[in-house]
Amino acid sequence: GESVGLHLPTLSVQEGDNSIINCAYSNSASDYFIWYKQESGKGPQFIIDIRSNMDKRQGQRVTVLLNKTVKHLSLQIAATQPGDSAVYFCAENLEGTALIFGKGTTLSVSS
Amino acid sequence: GAGVSQSPRYKVAKRGQDVALRCDPISGHVSLFWYQQALGQGPEFLTYFQNEAQLDKSGLPSDRFFAERPEGSVSTLKIQRTQQEDSAVYLCASSFGAGVETQYFGPGTRLLVL
Repeated sequence: GESVGLHLPTLSVQEGDNSIINCAYSNSASDYFIWYKQESGKGPQFIIDIRSNMDKRQGQRVTVLLNKTVKHLSLQIAATQPGDSAVYFCAENLEGTALIFGKGTTLSVSS
Repeated sequence: GAGVSQSPRYKVAKRGQDVALRCDPISGHVSLFWYQQALGQGPEFLTYFQNEAQLDKSGLPSDRFFAERPEGSVSTLKIQRTQQEDSAVYLCASSFGAGVETQYFGPGTRLLVL
């Protein structure tokens, strides 16, 4: 599967591959992190979240990894499908108010 | 519906016009947020309500922007004397409680100022 060590604005994968999208967050005091998927013309859609007392959380076909030492978050998508094509944003939450969004990654899945 | 709804979905305004954007949060959600999303960028925070109280408006870019949530449910974002740089998608999100919780977003209102 494709993996990205540093944030890249685009990621192209083949259907069935595993995808890894990376994100660097800004505030070491942030205590909650969310990955959102945004399709064209739609609002961000919740995918998975993780709190700062965890380093890994799994959902259906998705896994989020949190490395607080280097302030890094990653989203792994297993068996990527064409319907996964979208822009993915990570967001951090500090003290329960505004979300701070990272730079998005556009995932393109070809069949 | 079960999700956050926003209206209108699209708005074209002439420079100098006032606009009002509406958000209907998920029923029972205490917290409501407004974000602005420029083309190709991530959403940026504008303001936050807990019930009817506006607790944070630090992200509002100028005094032309005003938001209210008078009864603690529906919210309106008003932009006075619109400028071309106000063109963006305005997103509303709500969350169940007042703490660190998942925010659920509406589809957004795409504003184009000519």
